[in-house]
Amino acid sequence: ILNVEQSPQSLHVQEGDSTNFTCSFPSSNFYALHWYRWETAKSPEALFVMTLNGDEKKKGRISATLNTKEGYSYLYIKGSQPEDSATYLCAFINTDKLIFGTGTRLQVFP
Amino acid sequence: DTGVSQNPRHKITKRGQNVTFRCDPISEHNRLYWYRQTLGQGPEFLTYFQNEAQLEKSRLLSDRFSAERPKGSFSTLEIQRTEQGDSAMYLCASSFQGLTTDGYTFGSGTRLTVV
Repeated sequence: ILNVEQSPQSLHVQEGDSTNFTCSFPSSNFYALHWYRWETAKSPEALFVMTLNGDEKKKGRISATLNTKEGYSYLYIKGSQPEDSATYLCAFINTDKLIFGTGTRLQVFP
Repeated sequence: DTGVSQNPRHKITKRGQNVTFRCDPISEHNRLYWYRQTLGQGPEFLTYFQNEAQLEKSRLLSDRFSAERPKGSFSTLEIQRTEQGDSAMYLCASSFQGLTTDGYTFGSGTRLTVV
């Protein structure tokens, strides 16, 4: 069974705090790792697609790193805002499809 | 193109009834995926198509579930003789390639409640 694990399951932070989440995945036969943001009542939205060991990607206040040798990725949010409240999902490609983790639910309080 | 569209948004059905959901992907995308998400879990893979060919079905998909993509455009997911355990969010996604660098584009999902 191929497992993607995310931690923590949920996180409550104050506006302005920086935060980070972890995604662990099988390190063998790696193709790509995806990060998605899923806001309530909306569609999951792709944040990053990462393919190379050591990859670092950034979009505004959100960034991600990738270590394919040890099978983990970190997602960082700098200066969290209430609009960052969402579930953050990571997923890795296995035989042509994404396998998702259970997500980290982030709530940012004003 | 307005993205991936799923209908209906919500469906309440009685146990034992059949239901059908529809997904309209982005027109240029040849890949179409169905996922199911239950409370506290991440999306679970159900099946995917490349054009009209169904390339893989999850073992989670019992014989009560069937999916089609007859002309390589929209897809339908049918659940026969629904059970309470089928209550979930059913998500559809599309991509241009399997190993896309842009990520999948998801619809807003169909929330099924079986009573």
